[in-house]
Amino acid sequence: ELKVEQNPLFLSMQEGKNYTIYCNYSTTSDRLYWYRQDPGKSLESLFVLLSNGAVKQEGRLMASLDTKARLSTLHITAAVHDLSATYFCAVVSPTGGGADGLTFGKGTHLIIQP
Amino acid sequence: DAGVIQSPRHEVTEMGQEVTLRCKPISGHDYLFWYRQTMMRGLELLIYFNNNVPIDDSGMPEDRFSAKMPNASFSTLKIQPSEPRDSAVYFCASSLWGHHQETQYFGPGTRLLVL
Repeated sequence: ELKVEQNPLFLSMQEGKNYTIYCNYSTTSDRLYWYRQDPGKSLESLFVLLSNGAVKQEGRLMASLDTKARLSTLHITAAVHDLSATYFCAVVSPTGGGADGLTFGKGTHLIIQP
Repeated sequence: DAGVIQSPRHEVTEMGQEVTLRCKPISGHDYLFWYRQTMMRGLELLIYFNNNVPIDDSGMPEDRFSAKMPNASFSTLKIQPSEPRDSAVYFCASSLWGHHQETQYFGPGTRLLVL
């Protein structure tokens, strides 16, 4: 059974600081996704990571993937209040072809204070 | 593109009643997924379809839950009879194989409250 663990689950930080969210998964996976969810809203896709060593950046967010360690990180640089949200990582079980459902972590609830 | 469309956005019903949730995927997408989100269990995959055919329904909690996809632009998730523990946000998502690394695009969700 594929399991996904995120930590921390709750994070309160000040604007301007840097921090990292960690996502571990239990078995080999084809793809790893990061999503953002604002309170009462849907999930917004941030990044898709496909291969070992993959790194993607968008604004103050950078995601990386280490498939050997089964670990992905989401790094926040110089945080701003607008980044306050819940961040989910999700993993797809390896398939012989075709898409598959996502297994999600519990999410990291991030609060950025002025 | 209008994105994934779900209806109703909110549903309040009484225990024992039938509930039908609806989803219209992004036009041209060949995969459709139903997820449920609760505080206790987080986000869970219920079922998904490929080209209107159910592929994996192992996440459907009980026989009270059923899902159909009669055509490429419409899917339903039905709960009959509903129970208070079914209260959750139900998301529909769609994706296109070979496109954007199979990113799943989520609809706004249906907030279901069963009294």
